[in-house]
Amino acid sequence: AQSVAQPEDQVNVAEGNPLTVKCTYSVSGNPYLFWYVQYPNRGLQFLLKYITGDNLVKGSYGFEAEFNKSQTSFHLKKPSALVSDSALYFCAVRDGGAGSYQLTFGKGTKLSVIP
Amino acid sequence: NAGVTQTPKFRVLKTGQSMTLLCAQDMNHEYMYWYRQDPGMGLRLIHYSVGEGTTAKGEVPDGYNVSRLKKQNFLLGLESAAPSQTSVYFCASSWKDTQYFGPGTRLTVL
Repeated sequence: AQSVAQPEDQVNVAEGNPLTVKCTYSVSGNPYLFWYVQYPNRGLQFLLKYITGDNLVKGSYGFEAEFNKSQTSFHLKKPSALVSDSALYFCAVRDGGAGSYQLTFGKGTKLSVIP
Repeated sequence: NAGVTQTPKFRVLKTGQSMTLLCAQDMNHEYMYWYRQDPGMGLRLIHYSVGEGTTAKGEVPDGYNVSRLKKQNFLLGLESAAPSQTSVYFCASSWKDTQYFGPGTRLTVL
């Protein structure tokens, strides 16, 4: 079984400040981890993924995420938040040893960047 | 490339009515998915397909049926709609591990 937890329903950050959106996961095999973003009334858009290799993954729009195996975490980060980053962010996981590409999504974290 | 498109964008049904949601992708992807999104619950997988002519159940399949007669299309059917099926429905297709989502269908069942 695979699962994802996003412990914060909402994160507020001032424009220009660094932001972090938290994600922890549980999977029996090797974790494949993803972040997606959803803007109002839109579908989800892929931001970045970790499959293997460097623990720090860089993605779209200046976002990055750090894979921490010992803490089973994959937190999303950005050094300087923009008002346009305000959106709903989803973390997702799948078991890399499983036969399908089926993802399990977290419940989402609403990010509000305050001008 | 249009990517992933969904038809219709909005729909209101009465309890017991049936309808079909259409998803189309022009990226030649083998894998396609149907999700529902409800407030505070994230995305939950309804059904998915690993190729033309194949379908499989996801996390919440009850009350839904699907068909994948052509590689580019994935249909989601509600035979007898219930108020609990009020939701936003998203279709996605994937190449390896990256999923590409459609714009969604907002369905209300009265």
